[in-house]
Amino acid sequence: QKEVEQDPGPLSVPEGAIVSLNCTYSNSAFQYFMWYRQYSRKGPELLMYTYSSGNKEDGRFTAQVDKSSKYISLFIRDSQPSDSATYLCAMDRNTGFQKLVFGTGTRLLVSP
Amino acid sequence: DVKVTQSSRYLVKRTGEKVFLECVQDMDHENMFWYRQDPGLGLRLIYFSYDVKMKEKGDIPEGYSVSREKKERFSLILESASTNQTSMYLCASSAKGLKGNTIYFGEGSWLTVV
Repeated sequence: QKEVEQDPGPLSVPEGAIVSLNCTYSNSAFQYFMWYRQYSRKGPELLMYTYSSGNKEDGRFTAQVDKSSKYISLFIRDSQPSDSATYLCAMDRNTGFQKLVFGTGTRLLVSP
Repeated sequence: DVKVTQSSRYLVKRTGEKVFLECVQDMDHENMFWYRQDPGLGLRLIYFSYDVKMKEKGDIPEGYSVSREKKERFSLILESASTNQTSMYLCASSAKGLKGNTIYFGEGSWLTVV
């Protein structure tokens, strides 16, 4: 079993839709949770990170962590074609050297 | 603005060649990483370094080596390239001790071994 599971998609939505992206994990030691956005042929860029359980909001993006269920989500409100990308979840293995464990990524397509 | 620069974006190499992938960061970060990214497999850690001349194996070190002679520079070496090393290679860096902060990635190097 992989430590982090993420549906690869693609997830296709119309412009303006609310998007929900999710990851599940098995290692209860994870404490920091991150979402990266990766455009085609580019490196991942950090979108959001949260510590432990709870919600964090940044503009149209909301990150949610439920440690009891080992489940994290990223919500995108009012989705735009420019949001079309692959979204990677990542988690801190708590090593002190920040050796993150990544999901395989979900490809999102937002059509105009 | 943070910057991780991978000097070669696209390379085509022959089987058996020695390949060098170079990475430079300008953030004075202690930690540097090399990942490879493949469809369906996601990002996999090859090697990381937490200080100059220090290195540790990641999840898939076989067929690779690394060099970190200066803090800002981390090189990935494919001693004898093989076709199964065709992939996108990502360099990254992060500050030590800032747990929960972030890893910054470069733009990636696309390597094709023929």
